[in-house]
Amino acid sequence: AQSVTQPDIHITVSEGASLELRCNYSYGATPYLFWYVQSPGQGLQLLLKYFSGDTLVQGIKGFEAEFKRSQSSFNLRKPSVHWSDAAEYFCAVRGNTPLVFGKGTRLSVIA
Amino acid sequence: EAGVAQSPRYKIIEKRQSVAFWCNPISGHATLYWYQQILGQGPKLLIQFQNNGVVDDSQLPKDRFSAERLKGVDSTLKIQPAKLEDSAVYLCASSLDRGIGNTIYFGEGSWLTVV
Repeated sequence: AQSVTQPDIHITVSEGASLELRCNYSYGATPYLFWYVQSPGQGLQLLLKYFSGDTLVQGIKGFEAEFKRSQSSFNLRKPSVHWSDAAEYFCAVRGNTPLVFGKGTRLSVIA
Repeated sequence: EAGVAQSPRYKIIEKRQSVAFWCNPISGHATLYWYQQILGQGPKLLIQFQNNGVVDDSQLPKDRFSAERLKGVDSTLKIQPAKLEDSAVYLCASSLDRGIGNTIYFGEGSWLTVV
């Protein structure tokens, strides 16, 4: 069965600084990987997904993620964070079952 | 394109009472999911429908939870009787089909507090 680990529960960054959120997955075959964002009181919005091909994928809102099979990782990055990026971020993997999520990383942005 | 619609958005009930949540998926989406998200955790799949049939309900606490999708469109999730630990956000989601390449779209969730 697949699983996802997000090692960081809470991260605080300054506005304009770069961001990297970590995600490690466990799955025996080639995984389908996703990042979702959840703003307070809202549902989950898909940021980006990786199915195959280029290991660097671009998403919405200026986010990107890199798939590294050797490290079983799919880290999310953004070069310059905006205050509106403050939210909860979930990494998810899809294999032989629908989406399995990590516990999430809460991002706070300070001025 | 309209998204996944859920209601009610917020509900507060006493333990041992019952509650029902409704979901209308994106038009044309054959696959519908209910997820439970407890505070501080990621969403966990409760049940998956393909049209009006159940594909996976292995994580649904069947002694108190039930769900149906009678006409293959709307779905209802019911909890009876509710326990304190059922306090969570119940997220409905849908996808065009159950194939692994299909994006899953989520509604805004129904927030349940059991007191």
